[in-house]
Amino acid sequence: KAGVTQTPRYLIKTRGQQVTLSCSPISGHRSVSWYQQTPGQGLQFLFEYFSETQRNKGNFPGRFSGRQFSNSRSEMNVSTLELGDSALYLCASSRASGWNNEQFFGPGTRLTVL
Amino acid sequence: DQQVKQNSPSLSVQEGRISILNCDYTNSMFDYFLWYKKYPAEGPTFLISISSIKDKNEDGRFTVFLNKSAKHLSLHIVPSQPGDSAVYFCAASEGGGATNKLIFGTGTLLAVQP
Repeated sequence: KAGVTQTPRYLIKTRGQQVTLSCSPISGHRSVSWYQQTPGQGLQFLFEYFSETQRNKGNFPGRFSGRQFSNSRSEMNVSTLELGDSALYLCASSRASGWNNEQFFGPGTRLTVL
Repeated sequence: DQQVKQNSPSLSVQEGRISILNCDYTNSMFDYFLWYKKYPAEGPTFLISISSIKDKNEDGRFTVFLNKSAKHLSLHIVPSQPGDSAVYFCAASEGGGATNKLIFGTGTLLAVQP
């Protein structure tokens, strides 16, 4: 069974640009969550989608947005990039929300903002 | 405001000995706790979890202890093996299991020396 895939794996952008990251969940999984990992901050929750609806959102500015498609694939977008947006962006998928649904993480997209 | 704290950035242990990783939290509404392991260039993988109604959960070499009064949990690995060398993240959830939102600590790098 294929795992969670994220594309691209590496990305270099300059300040002010925008970027779109993609996440394909495990087949049959309908929930996708996004996290930002930076040194010293651990993983910080960005948002959670289930059946194309955003169920939860973390404390990030409006420059960070996301969506989920009918096939459960998800994208996140960051507009007007800042140097501080350089991070590893991870997505995780699960069958549904809640304790009994293990979340499986993808390998992440490493974004560097110059 | 770091609601989940892992105060030891790194830990070094001899093979065969016990590894004890600690985690403290401040939000008394957290009702579910998890440990994830992360190797370089890979996403975190789920290790073990515990709900707030329990004080111990065991899975093979891994045991998680929860002390709610102290808002403290720990992960014990016995015996430690070189393949356990990785970054370990503690995570917490609230909301009665209706959400996939996890609050992560900053991680502890475990090095198991052969």
